[in-house]
Amino acid sequence: NAGVTQTPKFQVLKTGQSMTLQCAQDMNHEYMSWYRQDPGMGLRLIHYSVGAGITDQGEVPNGYNVSRSTTEDFPLRLLSAAPSQTSVYFCASSSRLGGYGYTFGSGTRLTVV
Amino acid sequence: EDQVTQSPEALRLQEGESSSLNCSYTVSGLRGLFWYRQDPGKGPEFLFTLYSAGEEKEKERLKATLTKKESFLHITAPKPEDSATYLCAVPPQGANFGNEKLTFGTGTRLTIIP
Repeated sequence: NAGVTQTPKFQVLKTGQSMTLQCAQDMNHEYMSWYRQDPGMGLRLIHYSVGAGITDQGEVPNGYNVSRSTTEDFPLRLLSAAPSQTSVYFCASSSRLGGYGYTFGSGTRLTVV
Repeated sequence: EDQVTQSPEALRLQEGESSSLNCSYTVSGLRGLFWYRQDPGKGPEFLFTLYSAGEEKEKERLKATLTKKESFLHITAPKPEDSATYLCAVPPQGANFGNEKLTFGTGTRLTIIP
């Protein structure tokens, strides 16, 4: 069981470039989400999905786009990278049944120069 | 706005020295409080879910408790391998299910000195 797989682990972008952070889970979880983690600010929710074809915005959605065409995959797109998007990005998934915590991926460390 | 506040920000303990970490929250109608452990360079790892005041959960040297306004993570006789950042999280008021759209605290960085 791989759990939640994120790629790439590290990425350097130039301002204005676009890219997609990949996230895949093999646990048949309905719920998936993207967080960014910055020093002193904790984990902040970017976008989330409660099932294939359904996505919604979290706390800090600007500059990011998501889609959920399958249960397994939930990619995060940076449309035009900015230095403020330098962060560590985590994808997480969970069952919608009560009491289950999230399973997190190992993260993508993104630097925008 | 729902808030989650953790204290202290950092805690250094000698091996075997017991202590507690605090997580206070302002969300009404709590539908669950979650504790996670995060090691450097890794994603958070789920530890516990608590639902109602008075509830307790235990795992090895860790015990989580919940009141109406806060939760405590008690660590008894810690070992160096317990060193990590401990995060708590709550769903927003009116969440459709218990672990939707979790709001995380900024964590307590725990260091256990051999």
